[in-house]
Amino acid sequence: ETGVTQSPTHLIKTRGQQVTLRCSSQSGHNTVSWYQQALGQGPQFIFQYYREEENGRGNFPPRFSGLQFPNYSSELNVNALELDDSALYLCASSLPTSGGYTQYFGPGTRLTVL
Amino acid sequence: AQRVTQPEKLLSVFKGAPVELKCNYSYSGSPELFWYVQYSRQRLQLLLRHISRESIKGFTADLNKGETSFHLKKPFAQEEGSAMYYCALSGNDYKLSFGAGTTVTVRA
Repeated sequence: ETGVTQSPTHLIKTRGQQVTLRCSSQSGHNTVSWYQQALGQGPQFIFQYYREEENGRGNFPPRFSGLQFPNYSSELNVNALELDDSALYLCASSLPTSGGYTQYFGPGTRLTVL
Repeated sequence: AQRVTQPEKLLSVFKGAPVELKCNYSYSGSPELFWYVQYSRQRLQLLLRHISRESIKGFTADLNKGETSFHLKKPFAQEEGSAMYYCALSGNDYKLSFGAGTTVTVRA
């Protein structure tokens, strides 16, 4: 069983640019969530995808968007980057069951916006 | 709205001493509570989940609905326990709300 992987590890962009971050879910997991973790803070929920549909969203503007693919890999896209978007972006995959579910996190992508 | 508060940013304990990390939450329904741990240069990983009532690496946590708390405890701190600890809450929508985290340093 493979764990959650993310790419790239690090990324540097300039203000106004667009970025795509990628996540490969743990085998068999059909749900993926994305989180933003600013320095010194806990992760903040961005959105969740279940079977390729958005299934909940946190307080993030529409320039944060996502996709989930049939193989359950996913992308986080951020348009018109701002300096405050600099953070660690985490994805977490899970398999909901009747007993609830546990989210398994990837190592994250460190995004720096200059 | 759901909210998690970890009042201690930093906690320093001696090896062998008891450890308690505080977590308070705010949620109108019946939440599911978690503790996640992040060791240096490693990913966030689940430490324990209250619904399963498991004890992992000697850690336990009791959900106190009256005090809306979910404090993490360990009777004897170990040096490898130095890490960042996050309390998290999940409601009906399954999103996780995290506290700001507590950095624990275990000293020899």
